[in-house]
Amino acid sequence: RKEVEQDPGPFNVPEGATVAFNCTYSNSASQSFFWYRQDCRKEPKLLMSVYSSGNEDGRFTAQLNRASQYISLLIRDSKLSDSATYLCVVRPNDYKLSFGAGTTVTVRA
Amino acid sequence: DAGVIQSPRHEVTEMGQEVTLRCKPISGHDYLFWYRQTMMRGLELLIYFNNNVPIDDSGMPEDRFSAKMPNASFSTLKIQPSEPRDSAVYFCATSRDSNQPQHFGDGTRLSIL
Repeated sequence: RKEVEQDPGPFNVPEGATVAFNCTYSNSASQSFFWYRQDCRKEPKLLMSVYSSGNEDGRFTAQLNRASQYISLLIRDSKLSDSATYLCVVRPNDYKLSFGAGTTVTVRA
Repeated sequence: DAGVIQSPRHEVTEMGQEVTLRCKPISGHDYLFWYRQTMMRGLELLIYFNNNVPIDDSGMPEDRFSAKMPNASFSTLKIQPSEPRDSAVYFCATSRDSNQPQHFGDGTRLSIL
């Protein structure tokens, strides 16, 4: 079983729509959680860290459910510029990060 | 602050040749990571360093791959001899400490013919 699993999508949504997706992780001792964004042919960039209490950054909301071992990302009022692949990232128990394969989001005009 | 700097951005070479990828970390970042990304396997950790010391190289595919970090401002990933299946994007990432997120360089797009 992979350490981090994501629905690859693609999620095709119109501008202004809300889109949400999850990822699951296998190691219950995981300590840190992040969402990264990767544009085509570019490097992954940190979108936001995910905290136990949930957190919001503008139009982006991240939630962590430790009991069910999943993390979610919700994008409100989506923009064309939100089109990207979103990588779920988990730090199991040391300094290494485990990356999901990514969820592709395409926002259309 | 300058980000993580990788060179070259693109490399095309024939199989059997030696390939050297370079990375300059963000100043003050004690952790340095080398990743490889392909469509089939996604993002894979190859090796990481803490304070210039290799900590975990279990992700290095085979003996043809080697990595060094001679000082806090420079690291190399070397493939010798290179093979077509090594074609991928290689990223270097660094973080200030073990709890901080990692910052990625632009990557080196490697094609082995």
